[in-house]
Amino acid sequence: GAGVSQSPSNKVTEKGKDVELRCDPISGHTALYWYRQSLGQGLEFLIYFQGNSAPDKSGLPSDRFSAERTGGSVSTLTIQRTQQEDSAVYLCASSLEVSPYNEQFFGPGTRLTVL
Amino acid sequence: AQSVTQLDSQVPVFEEAPVELRCNYSSSVSVYLFWYVQYPNQGLQLLLKYLSGSTLVESINGFEAEFNKSQTSFHLRKPSVHISDTAEYFCAVSEGQGAQKLVFGQGTRLTINP
Repeated sequence: GAGVSQSPSNKVTEKGKDVELRCDPISGHTALYWYRQSLGQGLEFLIYFQGNSAPDKSGLPSDRFSAERTGGSVSTLTIQRTQQEDSAVYLCASSLEVSPYNEQFFGPGTRLTVL
Repeated sequence: AQSVTQLDSQVPVFEEAPVELRCNYSSSVSVYLFWYVQYPNQGLQLLLKYLSGSTLVESINGFEAEFNKSQTSFHLRKPSVHISDTAEYFCAVSEGQGAQKLVFGQGTRLTINP
């Protein structure tokens, strides 16, 4: 595709429910990143993938958060037992490789609202 | 861990006036610096970056930023702004063994008044 796509664009859920957020990176990009943007915390790094591997999961806010990537392409971010503080815009980005010399291209985000 | 401070949360300016958006980062042995822009209802886009070499970097739409190692700053400037520059601007530093993680500042909302 032309850019990074994310789905759904908006998700409203009830506290305690599980949600899955999807990211389709730019074709050929081996690196994929998840960030979240919230009023209180600004833009925070969550996790990155090099291929299907996530070498560093320390940015995930709690063990309710998990992410996977299959086939070196699509990634899903899963939040279990959602809490109101999980409300934020979840951004996905991809780059050719993991390197500051390769630009991270961002998707439009998924706005998650937990009631 | 790296941190980035954007000193102004909002900057209102008149059209055709100059603007400076300030950014300071915590010191590190090596640093890669970025400015991203988020136009209304759009995603984040890279505006410019400093990786090495010349400390003055420019974007295609007239913005420039200067890497100042002694002051640990990477301020963004434009000599004459347009209405279309209205957006939120984020300063970021690359962190991690492979510099894979972007650490962002809180953002500065630039509002251009006619």
